[in-house]
Amino acid sequence: AQKVTQAQTEISVVEKEDVTLDCVYETRDTTYYLFWYKQPPSGELVFLIRRNSFDEQNEISGRYSWNFQKSTSSFNFTITASQVVDSAVYFCALSEAESNSGYALNFGKGTSLLVTP
Amino acid sequence: EAGVVQSPRYKIIEKKQPVAFWCNPISGHNTLYWYRQNLGQGPELLIRYENEEAVDDSQLPKDRFSAERLKGVDSTLKIQPAELGDSAVYLCASSLDWQGDLTNYGYTFGSGTRLTVV
Repeated sequence: AQKVTQAQTEISVVEKEDVTLDCVYETRDTTYYLFWYKQPPSGELVFLIRRNSFDEQNEISGRYSWNFQKSTSSFNFTITASQVVDSAVYFCALSEAESNSGYALNFGKGTSLLVTP
Repeated sequence: EAGVVQSPRYKIIEKKQPVAFWCNPISGHNTLYWYRQNLGQGPELLIRYENEEAVDDSQLPKDRFSAERLKGVDSTLKIQPAELGDSAVYLCASSLDWQGDLTNYGYTFGSGTRLTVV
């Protein structure tokens, strides 16, 4: 079963629009980590944020913000005033501390974001 | 501090040929992972090492894939013989073990090796 679901396959916005990327996860662990990564066309995975399951405080970093809600098992990512350089594939990932996975990451299928001028 | 280093960056081989990828993790990271990312998909775990020991290789196609991590540092992933369906990006990552302090948990990916089998 897919542990991380990113329902949005592709999103296209015009520059300066706000955009939210959805992520829903599934786990039985009480201790886990959630991640967002950016993968630009060059291919490398760029770390954006890590959140542990005990910290539901939302976070803002410049134009980026994250909304973590355990009640709905969601960890959504919002880009405010999007820019062309934000165009990339964004991955949400889950790492479970209590299973025998050794913190291996379960990735969603990614959301491809296209920001046009 | 150097990140996770992978080589080669790109590799094109004919099917049935062997190929090997190399990974040098971040110094001090005792856990090393190999992931495969197929086109249009998220990365999927192939194998996880804790020091020299492969503790999770359940997703590694053992008929043609092999991996090793000598001395618990560098790692090599090999495919022999390669098939067309092996074309993908192979990513290496390393992390610290959780020492009871959640803030110590670090996870870093290399730039990957893009394999094309023709």
